[in-house]
Formats: sequence, C-alpha cells, structure tokens
Amino acid sequence: QQQVRQSPQSLTVWEGETAILNCSYENSAFDYFPWYQQFPGEGPALLIAIRSVSDKKEDGGFTIFFNKREKNLSLHIKDSQPGDSATYFCAASGTGGYKVVFGSGTRLLVSP
Amino acid sequence: NAGVIQTPRHKVTGKGQEATLWCEPISGHSAVFWYRQTIVQGLEFLTYFRNQAPIDDSGMPKERFSAQMPNQSHSTLKIQSTQPQDSAVYLCASSLAQGSYEQYFGPGTRLTVL
Repeated sequence: QQQVRQSPQSLTVWEGETAILNCSYENSAFDYFPWYQQFPGEGPALLIAIRSVSDKKEDGGFTIFFNKREKNLSLHIKDSQPGDSATYFCAASGTGGYKVVFGSGTRLLVSP
Repeated sequence: NAGVIQTPRHKVTGKGQEATLWCEPISGHSAVFWYRQTIVQGLEFLTYFRNQAPIDDSGMPKERFSAQMPNQSHSTLKIQSTQPQDSAVYLCASSLAQGSYEQYFGPGTRLTVL
C-alpha cells in the first residue's frame, strides 16, 4: 500500500506563478517530512523539510504547509522559474527512524 | 565535499551476467542506503547499513541481489544473473545515523539489462 501519496502526478505552471504540490500520508507515527527535488540524470536532492510540531516552514521561495490533523502537507513554490522544472518527491519518516517512505512524485514544468 | 559518488554511471549487461555497483558515501556519514528507481515503481528502498553493519535488507529481492559495506568508505550492490526487469536506476544515499537521518543521494547508476 502507498503510505505517502502525491498529487498531481504532473503540473504545468507559467513562469512567475506559484506552483502547489500536494502530499498526504497514512501513518500517524510519521513526524519528519522532507521534500526532494530531482532533475533528469541526477539523484534526488533534499530541498526543504518540516517536522510535525510545525505547521509551516519557509526557505527562500519554497514553503511547506503542514496539517497534522488532516495528515496532509503541501509544497508551494513561489515565483516559479523554468529552472524549477523537475520532479518533486514528498517523503516521510518517524522519530529516530531511518526508513524514509517516498511518494510517487510530481513532475513540475514551468513554462516561460 | 564531493557528495555521494556512484560508479559506474551507466552499465549495460547481457541477460544472465553479473553487475556490481559501487557507492562512496559522504565522509563522516555512517549510514548508507540503496534504492532502486523505476518509472513504474518509483523509489524503492533496498537496504541500509549503519557503521558498516547491515541493518535492514527488507527491500532486497531475496535471490540474486546482495549488498556489502566492507569499509566506511564504500558499499557495493551486486546483482547476479541479471534479468531485464532489473533495469533501473540504482541510487545510493548516505546520512548521519542520528537525528532526522537526512539522506544525501548520489547521481545513481543506470543499469540496462539487454
């Protein structure tokens, strides 16, 4: 079963728009949620992460909004640029746990 | 800091041949992970080492796949008798074995089995 779900599967936005990528999870024990960015031919790179004690995390133009009660979170990419075109993975793990469960990814295309 | 190094970047094998993939973790990282990435299955966990000891190989196909970490500076993933369904990108990641276990990935090895 898929413990971490992402939507949409693919997303196209215009340059300058805010892209919103969604993620939901099932396991209440998850308390750490990293987002990874992957470009073709490269490995995933840690972009930004949030712990379940917070409901928002910002880093540059990237913001995570987290809703523990609903078990969902979203990644907002403000002022999207063509260079942000990549696949974004939502992931989750538990306290002190090493195992990270990845979602299936959202492929983002930012059109100039 | 060179990041996680994986070699080779691409490997082509014939069906039935053996493939060995190499990973050099970030210096100072004591946790090493192997993943397999395909379009259909996404990112699949294979195995995990901490301080060179195998901790969890629950994602490893029981036959033909094996992983080792003979020293703190490298790990290998060996696939015996490769099959076309083994074709994938194999990713290695390392992390500090504490706290949030933030994982840093290498560029991957693309394995193609003909």
